[in-house]
Amino acid sequence: DGGITQSPKYLFRKEGQNVTLSCEQNLNHDAMYWYRQDPGQGLRLIYYSQIVNDFQKGDIAEGYSVSREKKESFPLTVTSAQKNPTAFYLCASNGLAGVDGELFFGEGSRLTVL
Amino acid sequence: QKEVEQNSGPLSVPEGAIASLNCTYSDRGSQSFFWYRQYSGKSPELIMFIYSNGDKEDGRFTAQLNKASQYVSLLIRDSQPSDSATYLCAVNQKLVFGTGTRLLVSP
Repeated sequence: DGGITQSPKYLFRKEGQNVTLSCEQNLNHDAMYWYRQDPGQGLRLIYYSQIVNDFQKGDIAEGYSVSREKKESFPLTVTSAQKNPTAFYLCASNGLAGVDGELFFGEGSRLTVL
Repeated sequence: QKEVEQNSGPLSVPEGAIASLNCTYSDRGSQSFFWYRQYSGKSPELIMFIYSNGDKEDGRFTAQLNKASQYVSLLIRDSQPSDSATYLCAVNQKLVFGTGTRLLVSP
């Protein structure tokens, strides 16, 4: 079945460590996105990519990095520079290179910093 | 002013009633509007989308858009306990989401 796969679902990190969250899609979508969700704050855009080898910062990109070497994959690295990384991370994609259109979400990755 | 605003709730309605969820947005140039449902601990799923002024119905759900007043609403008829979730309004031109309204439907 087509969809978006995020891994791991749960991740624990010690302070000062970088961690990478995986996002893979087999929907043949051009655009992929990373959101962060904190309680009571809805979804906030971290990074998005509309085409391979290109990506743009969202509203809260500081302390995060991404790559888009393949159309199917858009991994997110949470670096030690991110001061409050504990959150629920959602990867999404849509079939248009522009910003309109329905977003399809993965199941999310919950990161906890110990 | 936030770009997309929703009342966080909770909005409590009895089973069988109509639930009305509202969302306002600040960018007059916005063209597409989406309602997502999110159960606790899960990812959002699309309920409705609307591009044109007026009403759009899909089963028990009706989305209403008024671009002049910059609001979009979601009506849920015959509310069921399984509708209890957080409903996120999204204005897709800038991929901006509201904070969501928590809906509680009591049996």
